[in-house]
Amino acid sequence: GAVVSQHPSWVICKSGTSVKIECRSLDFQATTMFWYRQFPKQSLMLMATSNEGSKATYEQGVEKDKFLINHASLTLSTLTVTSAHPEDSSFYICRANNEQFFGPGTRLTVL
Amino acid sequence: ELKVEQNPLFLSMQEGKNYTIYCNYSTTSDRLYWYRQDPGKSLESLFVLLSNGAVKQEGRLMASLDTKARLSTLHITAAVHDLSATYFCAVDRGGNKLVFGAGTILRVKS
Repeated sequence: GAVVSQHPSWVICKSGTSVKIECRSLDFQATTMFWYRQFPKQSLMLMATSNEGSKATYEQGVEKDKFLINHASLTLSTLTVTSAHPEDSSFYICRANNEQFFGPGTRLTVL
Repeated sequence: ELKVEQNPLFLSMQEGKNYTIYCNYSTTSDRLYWYRQDPGKSLESLFVLLSNGAVKQEGRLMASLDTKARLSTLHITAAVHDLSATYFCAVDRGGNKLVFGAGTILRVKS
């Protein structure tokens, strides 16, 4: 079956640094990827929608300059958290345009 | 704005018992999903419900959808410990963008 992978699965970084998270569709083409954030013991919140070859669309309240999304190919979307701060610590999950396929998630901890 | 409410938020069950999780949503939608999440893991798809009156069953779990009432239920039959997890419903607000409920933490006690 179709699989979505994410890398890294977890990352710890210092405050002020940038972190890139990759989301790949392994055996199908994903024209659209959705990026979600989940704080501990909370639900998933949609951050942005990335479309291959065009600019991402961001949800209200999500800073596009802080969360940079690139969807340069049909199998890869990246989320870069720029100048990360402790409040950005969260579980980031991508989902391909097929609703059943979520990535395994990336746990980001900012010290 | 679409709002999705789940209840209860926490459910402690005895093994062998039955219970139902409810998911209400505020505006019309074409699709409703149920997911399971184990601690530290991503989401596993359980059911996709696409039409009024849809009922799907997998093992001890059965999901139904009433689009007129904007209500979906996830019924657990004869709970077993392995069902302990967090269950989310999610509703498509359009463009395949999902709005999630708060989640129901299910603990099955032996």
